[in-house]
Amino acid sequence: KAGVTQTPRYLIKTRGQQVTLSCSPISGHRSVSWYQQTPGQGLQFLFEYFSETQRNKGNFPGRFSGRQFSNSRSEMNVSTLELGDSALYLCASSPRSSYNEQFFGPGTRLTVL
Amino acid sequence: EDKVVQSPLSLVVHEGDTVTLNCSYEVTNFRSLLWYKQEKKAPTFLFMLTSSGIEKKSGRLSSILDKKELFSILNITATQTGDSAVYLCAVTYLYNAGNMLTFGGGTRLMVKP
Repeated sequence: KAGVTQTPRYLIKTRGQQVTLSCSPISGHRSVSWYQQTPGQGLQFLFEYFSETQRNKGNFPGRFSGRQFSNSRSEMNVSTLELGDSALYLCASSPRSSYNEQFFGPGTRLTVL
Repeated sequence: EDKVVQSPLSLVVHEGDTVTLNCSYEVTNFRSLLWYKQEKKAPTFLFMLTSSGIEKKSGRLSSILDKKELFSILNITATQTGDSAVYLCAVTYLYNAGNMLTFGGGTRLMVKP
């Protein structure tokens, strides 16, 4: 079974731009969660989607948004990028909305200049 | 504010040593505590703990939860260089009728030959 895939793997943007990251979960998994990892703040929960519905959202501004499609693939969007958005963005999938069964993708490294 | 604190921040040991990593938490509506290992890539799941006093074991790794004192420990015996990684603790809790997850800052373990 193929693992969680994320595209692109690396991205460089400038302040004020927007970015869309993509995550394809393991086949059959319906839950996709997104995380931001930075050296200063560690790993922080962004949001979780299950069957195309956002179930929960972490403490991030409205510039961070996401969606999930009927095939469970998910996208995350960050608008009006700030320098502090530079981070590793990780996506994890699970068959149900259950964090112990999460499988993480390799992440997208976003650099904002 | 809900929080998860790990200690020590970093640890250097020699092969064969035994290490104990700590995770304390303060959350409302606790559901479970998870341990992950993160090398130079995405986190991989180690254990999930929900009940106090029941040890989970996998090879040289074991973990136990104390729900009264609100902490967990992860033990690694007979450490090997391949155990070098960041170990992350996360707590899931009920929030807005769904599960939320908060990570600790991690413990960086280096095992020297």
